[in-house]
Amino acid sequence: GDSVTQMEGPVTLSEEAFLTINCTYTATGYPSLFWYVQYPGEGLQLLLKATKADDKGSNKGFEATYRKETTSFHLEKGSVQVSDSAVYFCALSDPTGGSYIPTFGRGTSLIVHP
Amino acid sequence: DVKVTQSSRYLVKRTGEKVFLECVQDMDHENMFWYRQDPGLGLRLIYFSYDVKMKEKGDIPEGYSVSREKKERFSLILESASTNQTSMYLCASRKTGVYGYTFGSGTRLTVV
Repeated sequence: GDSVTQMEGPVTLSEEAFLTINCTYTATGYPSLFWYVQYPGEGLQLLLKATKADDKGSNKGFEATYRKETTSFHLEKGSVQVSDSAVYFCALSDPTGGSYIPTFGRGTSLIVHP
Repeated sequence: DVKVTQSSRYLVKRTGEKVFLECVQDMDHENMFWYRQDPGLGLRLIYFSYDVKMKEKGDIPEGYSVSREKKERFSLILESASTNQTSMYLCASRKTGVYGYTFGSGTRLTVV
C-alpha cells in the first residue's frame, strides 16, 4: 500500500538557518503530494501541494518539488524564523481506487531558536 | 475566512459515558473526516463521509460511530468512553477531488 516516510525529529535550528525536511513516498498510482503544518495546540494547516512530477509547491517561503525519479517531496526554506517552530507532516493522496484519502507521514518537529 | 469548527477544545469525560464531538464546516465541502492523533502514532483515520447520511470506516473505527444528517455537520460519537480513547481528535473537510484538507483546531479529550 501507499506510505510516506519522513525524517525523524526534532530538527533544531537557529534563526535564519536553512531548513530541509526529507519526505519520501511509495504509491501504486500517480499521487498528489502535500505538506501540512501543525502549530502547538492547533489542527493541521495545508502549507503547500504539488499534483504532478516536477511541480513545485510554495507558500510562506517554504517550497517542495515533486521528484518522481527519487519518489521524494522534501520541504525547504531558506531562512527559518522562530515562528516556524511547529510539526510538519508530509502526505500523499493517491487517486487509485477513487477515494483520495491521504496517507500521512508521522510528522517532523521543528524547533527554531533565536 | 473558511473554517472547520470543532465544538470543544478540551473535554474531560468519565469512563462509560457517551461522548459527542461535533464538527461544522462552512465551505460546502462534500467530504468530512475524523482523525485521532497520538504521540508516536501520527494521525489515524476513524471515519469519513462522502455525503449526507453516508459514512465509511477508516483504519480504527472500533468504539466509535458517526452521524452526518446535514452536509455541514459531522459528529463523532464514543458510545462508551474508555481511557484508551484519551486523545486529540481532529475533524477535517475537503472538496471532492485532489484537494488538501481543511482541519479544525482539534478537541483534546481526556477520559478518566
